[in-house]
Amino acid sequence: QLQLQESGPGLVKPSETLSLTCTVSGGSISSSSYYWGWIRQPPGKGLEWIGSIYYSGSTYYNPSLKSRVTISVDTSKNQFSLKLSSVTAADTAVYYCARLVTRAGADYWGQGTLVTVSS
Amino acid sequence: QSVLTQPPSASGTPGQRVTISCSGSSSNIGSNYVYWYQQLPGTAPKLLIYRNNQRPSGVPDRFSGSKSGTSASLAISGLRSEDEADYYCAAWDDSLKVVFGGGTKLTVL
Repeated sequence: QLQLQESGPGLVKPSETLSLTCTVSGGSISSSSYYWGWIRQPPGKGLEWIGSIYYSGSTYYNPSLKSRVTISVDTSKNQFSLKLSSVTAADTAVYYCARLVTRAGADYWGQGTLVTVSS
Repeated sequence: QSVLTQPPSASGTPGQRVTISCSGSSSNIGSNYVYWYQQLPGTAPKLLIYRNNQRPSGVPDRFSGSKSGTSASLAISGLRSEDEADYYCAAWDDSLKVVFGGGTKLTVL
């Protein structure tokens, strides 16, 4: 059974860079035809797609976040990562990592991790 | 302001059939597949419907999806108390991004 687990700091200061890692177990991140993505959910609000990386390395980012986002894959560790720079309080959210079988179809999700942006 | 439009709330009594709508445009729903997610309180979203009307293994056939033009719907028949959750629609947009609806909170009365 595929499992995804987010890890990283739960508190980030304004203007700094948010860094999260998603560790995939029970399957290979190098498997063809899958996207690996990040989705976030501000407290009490809806879902927002941040970006995805295809198994080949191609990346797709939310245009509203593109200038601040980097998603990368480390196949040796079976992990993929998110970096979001110049964070503000508006970036406070639960961040989920997910496997996507199609560009918008996420069939496996991590449990989510709350990241608070505050000084 | 979400790209896809959903009603903020819906409700029904046990056993009833309820539908949740999702409205988009030609660049998303009109030309790409629609997906539906169920999010129970305090948990990660779960894929409920993919490619407009397909159910992943384990999803009861009480849940069904449909699409027509630039709109889509999720129908839940034989409503149960455990269906009380937030429901989100999603689609790929031709501007190279995933778009979500704002979510619909389903209450089972």
